[in-house]
Amino acid sequence: KNEVEQSPQNLTAQEGEFITINCSYSVGISALHWLQQHPGGGIVSLFMLSSGKKKHGRLIATINIQEKHSSLHITASHPRDSAVYICAVNANFGNEKLTFGTGTRLTIIP
Amino acid sequence: DAGVTQSPTHLIKTRGQQVTLRCSPKSGHDTVSWYQQALGQGPQFIFQYYEEEERQRGNFPDRFSGHQFPNYSSELNVNALLLGDSALYLCASSLELSLAGNEQFFGPGTRLTVL
Repeated sequence: KNEVEQSPQNLTAQEGEFITINCSYSVGISALHWLQQHPGGGIVSLFMLSSGKKKHGRLIATINIQEKHSSLHITASHPRDSAVYICAVNANFGNEKLTFGTGTRLTIIP
Repeated sequence: DAGVTQSPTHLIKTRGQQVTLRCSPKSGHDTVSWYQQALGQGPQFIFQYYEEEERQRGNFPDRFSGHQFPNYSSELNVNALLLGDSALYLCASSLELSLAGNEQFFGPGTRLTVL
């Protein structure tokens, strides 16, 4: 069993829909990251959080430390949001390695 | 402010050859991590360099080695290439003592194809 699990693996939605991607982890963490990867490979960091909730534009990330669960929400989804969204955790304190989920491939249809 | 840069962007090698990939961290960053991402998979941690030394290592064989230079840039070397080494190699940089935490900034990656 992977230390970081994401669901769903693939998600197709219509433009404008509210999107939720889930991440569960099995280890103690110091931080959880949500990353976006477009075709071609470049990875962009969306959020880093260790508690509560963060919002940036149409993106919202929440984390529940007790339940070891995080969600990434996209409001008013747009075709340009189509990408792979990856959850990753720092499993120890300090500047430690990231352990990644396998990603959720999101496709937004116009 | 330059972000993380990697070179080359694409590379084709044959089995048994050796390859060197390069990474320049984001300005002001002192820590470099390398990841391997096979097609359709999440990235896997290879190793991390800080103060010119390998500080952590993932589950990769000794064929994978690296180096960090005094200017914090880094190289990833892979010897005796195998077909299974074909992947996207990502470099990420961060600041060890950042008050903002361990946010890592990723480069665009080097896509290595082994024939």
